[in-house]
Amino acid sequence: EVQLVETGGGLVQPGKSLKLTCATSGFTFSNAWMHWVRQSPEKQLEWVAQIKAKSNNYATYYAESVKGRFTISRDDSKSSVYLQMNSLKEEDTAIYYCTWEYNSFDYWGQGVMVTVSS
Amino acid sequence: DIQMTQSPASLSASLGETVTIECLASEDIYSNLAWYQQKPGKSPQLLIYYANSLNDGVPSRFSGSGSGTQYSLKINSLQSEDVSIYFCQQNYDSPRTFGGGTKLELK
Repeated sequence: EVQLVETGGGLVQPGKSLKLTCATSGFTFSNAWMHWVRQSPEKQLEWVAQIKAKSNNYATYYAESVKGRFTISRDDSKSSVYLQMNSLKEEDTAIYYCTWEYNSFDYWGQGVMVTVSS
Repeated sequence: DIQMTQSPASLSASLGETVTIECLASEDIYSNLAWYQQKPGKSPQLLIYYANSLNDGVPSRFSGSGSGTQYSLKINSLQSEDVSIYFCQQNYDSPRTFGGGTKLELK
């Protein structure tokens, strides 16, 4: 059974940092393209970041709204993907999901809430 | 970035009805279009990929069609468990952009 479990969310002040972790199981993680997607309180979905597999040189891509502030990474030995979020802004408040791209975004985690507020 | 325009934003229908949701891409996405269903309090779930391929376990009353820039999701014989928000997404190019969502309610 495929599982993706996000942790690390919480309440943080503007300008601070937070690191999300997505632990996975049930598929060959080392070959997987992984993404982070967020959903605003207004329910809009926004793609945040992608990391490809080792065979693609672990290429990374970012939404313009987070470029230079967020960093996606992975540890194939732990079947985990991470999102380091720095210089957080109130507009980063959202539920953050990690997803595995196979045919499309086939599998999603349960999501983790990040609230940026003073 | 490719813009995805989804309509309608909300929809009210009766049990047993057929409903259709539309998605318009700002450029040709060559059928690289997915549909997701999100039930209240849950994560989005993949319904259809590559415009018309039904994901495993998805009921056959769901179907997708379209090409080029215009796509649609059809739900035949609406059931109570279909009350959800539905999103389209293009997988043709990065960033993988989503439509604004359609909230489907029962009349």
